[in-house]
Order: sequence, then C-alpha cells, then structure tokens
Amino acid sequence: EPEVTQTPSHQVTQMGQEVILRCVPISNHLYFYWYRQILGQKVEFLVSFYNNEISEKSEIFDDQFSVERPDGSNFTLKIRSTKLEDSAMYFCASRGLAGGVPYNEQFFGPGTRLTVL
Amino acid sequence: AQSVTQLDSHVSVSEGTPVLLRCNYSSSYSPSLFWYVQHPNKGLQLLLKYTSAATLVKGINGFEAEFKKSETSFHLTKPSAHMSDAAEYFCVVYNAGNMLTFGGGTRLMVKP
Repeated sequence: EPEVTQTPSHQVTQMGQEVILRCVPISNHLYFYWYRQILGQKVEFLVSFYNNEISEKSEIFDDQFSVERPDGSNFTLKIRSTKLEDSAMYFCASRGLAGGVPYNEQFFGPGTRLTVL
Repeated sequence: AQSVTQLDSHVSVSEGTPVLLRCNYSSSYSPSLFWYVQHPNKGLQLLLKYTSAATLVKGINGFEAEFKKSETSFHLTKPSAHMSDAAEYFCVVYNAGNMLTFGGGTRLMVKP
C-alpha cells in the first residue's frame, strides 16, 4: 500500500542553523501539506502546496520557513534559522484525486522530530 | 472558523469493555469530520470519516462514530477494546480552506 515517507525520523540541530525536512508524498498525489505538533500541544497546520506554489499558509509559517518540490517525488520544508520554539514533530501529508475531484482525506507520514538546542 | 474540542485528554478502559472518545466541533457550515489514530512512532492513520452521507460512520478495527448535528458532536466508539487500540486519537475537521484543524488528542490506555 502506498504511503508517505519522511526523513530523517529525528533531527537535532543548534539554534540558528538551517534544517531541511524531507517528505516523499504518495506518487500520484497533487496536494501537499506540512503540519507540526509541539510537545503537549495540538497538531497545527503550517502550509499547503499545489501546482508548484503555496496555496495557503498559517501565521506560524513566517519568512523563516519555505517549502519546495525540487523534483517529481520530494517535498521539503526548510527552516532558515532555527529557534528553540521550532522544536516539534513535523508531519507531511498528501492528498490525491478521485474521479478528477480532490478527496478530503490527507495521508500522513510518520513525522520528523526536530530538536533545537 | 472551525474548531474541534476533545473533551478528554486521557481515557483508560479495561480490555473487552466499550470505548467512548468524545469530540465536539464548531463549524459555520456542514463539515467533513475525521478521526485519526497515532500509534507510537507511527504516522497519523485515518480511522473513519464523515462527509455528509450516513450519520453513523463505520471505520477500521471496529470503530464507529456518529455525527449529531444538533449536539455538534462526533464521538468515537468501539464495543470492545483491544490492547492494540492503545494509542492517541485525534478528532479533525476539514476546512474549506484546504487545511485540517485538529483537536487536542485523547490518549487511550487499555488495561489487561
């Protein structure tokens, strides 16, 4: 069964460093998402991406964040200069079409735990 | 704006007894609602979804949920808990703005 994969599973970085979190969405999906979950808090939407551009982003997704689909398979989240409060679990998700219409279900990866020291 | 409240952060049941995980939502229109489950070190897996068809929705692993518009609720139930059901459960509403809004999660513990 196709699934969303994410690498690495755990990333430790120093404050101020850049990190890139990688995701491989399900191959025929067209909509891509990043969410994050700070320990003990809710899962929060960060950004959605479709047709090679951001379609929606939350207030959290400031200029320190960027997303990219560098090739036909990967979808990345870059944090330019990490802060302590960026420590969280980051989930990638993708969504496809059914009969030409996007369906509501998003398929999630296992997450990357980012720890900023 | 849509929001979701999961009324219990932790629920503990004995194996073989019923499970009830409570969820209330607010939405300005007829929502699409989901329950996701997260086992340790695993991704978020869809359990079931409501998308304005039947109000009683059956999902995987014997779970079901009933959409009650009058109560703005979408509680998750299972007649008999199994040890493998121990996990974190999230009630989620789909926004027309293309994003999912999550509840705070309920950790289900199953005692032998």
